[in-house]
Amino acid sequence: DVKVTQSSRYLVKRTGEKVFLECVQDMDHENMFWYRQDPGLGLRLIYFSYDVKMKEKGDIPEGYSVSREKKERFSLILESASTNQTSMYLCASSLLASGGPSNTGELFFGEGSRLTVL
Amino acid sequence: EDQVTQSPEALRLQEGESSSLNCSYTVSGLRGLFWYRQDPGKGPEFLFTLYSAGEEKEKERLKATLTKKESFLHITAPKPEDSATYLCAVQGGYSSASKIIFGSGTRLSIRP
Repeated sequence: DVKVTQSSRYLVKRTGEKVFLECVQDMDHENMFWYRQDPGLGLRLIYFSYDVKMKEKGDIPEGYSVSREKKERFSLILESASTNQTSMYLCASSLLASGGPSNTGELFFGEGSRLTVL
Repeated sequence: EDQVTQSPEALRLQEGESSSLNCSYTVSGLRGLFWYRQDPGKGPEFLFTLYSAGEEKEKERLKATLTKKESFLHITAPKPEDSATYLCAVQGGYSSASKIIFGSGTRLSIRP
């Protein structure tokens, strides 16, 4: 079974703290994504990566950074957490190949990390 | 700008009462339209991909259809276990590296 594992299901942090959200996939997928999900706004793309050490900004990258040192691991970093970053964070991976032929486009999601910033 | 709009926001049905969920989209060069199911507190789970107008796909009580402007997710004789939020997403553009844009979802509730 394919699996995307997010390190923490629930986190509570204080304003100004540095936050790390870790995501690991065991499917040897090239592509990994970080989304946040808020009521009424749907899933919004923060960052994505098509290869190790490569990253691309999504629609809402401000206040976030990412790291992909290994193919299976994609980390989301909040350098200085703020209350408006309270949200559900979802990691996903896929076989979408940059510049290559399209495939099903299926994203495999983790269970999510619910972050509360006080 | 690529956009996905889902309606209704919420839908309550009686068990066995068939209905449809709508996904309207605007995209430059559709590469794929996707449907996902999301249960509370969990990540979305893939259901279907549709690539071109006229295409249909089925899975148990669900059938997805696609036109040039919208997609429908038809639910036939639903059961309480079909209760979930259903998300629609599109991928446009001319590269398989194009972003996938999600709608806000339809929250479906089936009463026994």
